[in-house]
Amino acid sequence: DTEVTQTPKHLVMGMTNKKSLKCEQHMGHRAMYWYKQKAKKPPELMFVYSYEKLSINESVPSRFSPECPNSSLLNLHLHALQPEDSALYLCASSPSGSHYSNQPQHFGDGTRLSIL
Amino acid sequence: EDQVTQSPEALRLQEGESSSLNCSYTVSGLRGLFWYRQDPGKGPEFLFTLYSAGEEKEKERLKATLTKKESFLHITAPKPEDSATYLCAVQASDTGNQFYFGTGTSLTVIP
Repeated sequence: DTEVTQTPKHLVMGMTNKKSLKCEQHMGHRAMYWYKQKAKKPPELMFVYSYEKLSINESVPSRFSPECPNSSLLNLHLHALQPEDSALYLCASSPSGSHYSNQPQHFGDGTRLSIL
Repeated sequence: EDQVTQSPEALRLQEGESSSLNCSYTVSGLRGLFWYRQDPGKGPEFLFTLYSAGEEKEKERLKATLTKKESFLHITAPKPEDSATYLCAVQASDTGNQFYFGTGTSLTVIP
């Protein structure tokens, strides 16, 4: 079992819905990440939080809104998504929040999102 | 030009038939190279980190090595449960110190 927990595992939503993805880790890690992965493609970085502050936004559309309420929790709020946003959304964490840390990231099993 | 290239894209092996997967990179200022295993419908599972040329790491049937421009993941006497997609990721000053993933090698081990 992974130590990064993501809920829900699957989500189907219409283009006008608002929903949220949740990620939790209790390893004391200080950096948390959101990635998007399309089928048979590698993960692509969306957002990075370091010490609970947004440090990187990889030009993600505003219909994706991240939130880090505390050091263990990361949310991704979704609104007015498009069919092309259907993908596996992965959360990851790493021990240090330093921008220069070269420690491995540990991933959850993702939320499979389908937009109708 | 892709910064991280993995080959082959897909590999089918008989059980017990050893082979190697390749991850080559063109980034400068490498800070770390990471190998992951990903099963269908799951997130990537961390395997190894390599930091400098000449470094080797081993775990069960897997051995990862690193040179200045590429890394190899050697699989010795694979078993069907080794079937998965193997991803490498590099972290470098070129990538803004963030992870940049290769496209992966899909490994199938036939009993």
